Amino acid sequence: DQQVKQNSPSLSVQEGRISILNCDYTNSMFDYFLWYKKYPAEGPTFLISISSIKDKNEDGRFTVFLNKSAKHLSLHIVPSQPGDSAVYFCAASARTNAGKSTFGDGTTLTVKP
Amino acid sequence: NAGVTQTPKFQVLKTGQSMTLQCAQDMNHNSMYWYRQDPGMGLRLIYYSASEGTTDKGEVPNGYNVSRLNKREFSLRLESAAPSQTSVYFCASSAQGLSSPLHFGNGTRLTVT
Repeated sequence: DQQVKQNSPSLSVQEGRISILNCDYTNSMFDYFLWYKKYPAEGPTFLISISSIKDKNEDGRFTVFLNKSAKHLSLHIVPSQPGDSAVYFCAASARTNAGKSTFGDGTTLTVKP
Repeated sequence: NAGVTQTPKFQVLKTGQSMTLQCAQDMNHNSMYWYRQDPGMGLRLIYYSASEGTTDKGEVPNGYNVSRLNKREFSLRLESAAPSQTSVYFCASSAQGLSSPLHFGNGTRLTVT
C-alpha cells in the first residue's frame, strides 16, 4: 500500500502561470513533509518543507499548503518559469528523522515558454 | 563544495557478480542514507546510518549490505547481483536533528544483465 501518492504523473503549464502539484498521504504518523526537485541525471534537491503544526509555508515563488484533515498537501509555484521544468517529489516523514522519508512517485512539470 | 559524491556513475554487472557503491560527503553530516529509484517510481530507502557506527534497514534492504566506514563515507554492497537490482542508486546525507532535509549525490546507474 503506497503511503504517499502523487496522482498526476505529469503537468504542463504556460510560463508565468501558476503550477499546482498535489500529494496525498495515508499514514497519520507523518508529521513533516518535504518537496524535492530533480533534473535529469542529477540527484534530487530539497525545495521546501512544512511541519504538521503549520498549514502553509512560503519561500519566494514556492508555497506549500497542508490540509491535515484531508491528508493532502500541495506545492504552488507562482509564477512558473521554464527553469522549473523538472520532476517534483513529495516526501513524508517523522520530524525527528526527516531523512528517513517515504517518497511519492513524482510529477513531471513542464513549463512552456 | 562537492557535497555528496558517488562513484561510479555507471556500472553494468552480470547476474551473480558483486560490487560496492561508494559514497562520501564533506558537509560534516551525521546521518547518511542509500535510496534506489526504479523507472517511474519514487525513491525507496535501502539502508541508513543515523550516526557513525550505526546502520539500520530501510524499506527494501534484501540483497544489500552497508558499511559506515567513518563519518564521511557510507558504502553499499551487492554480494550477488540480480536483474531486479537494476536501478539508479542515490546516496544522501543529512544533519542530525529535527527537520533536516536530505542532500543527495548524483546517483549511480546500475544495470544487471
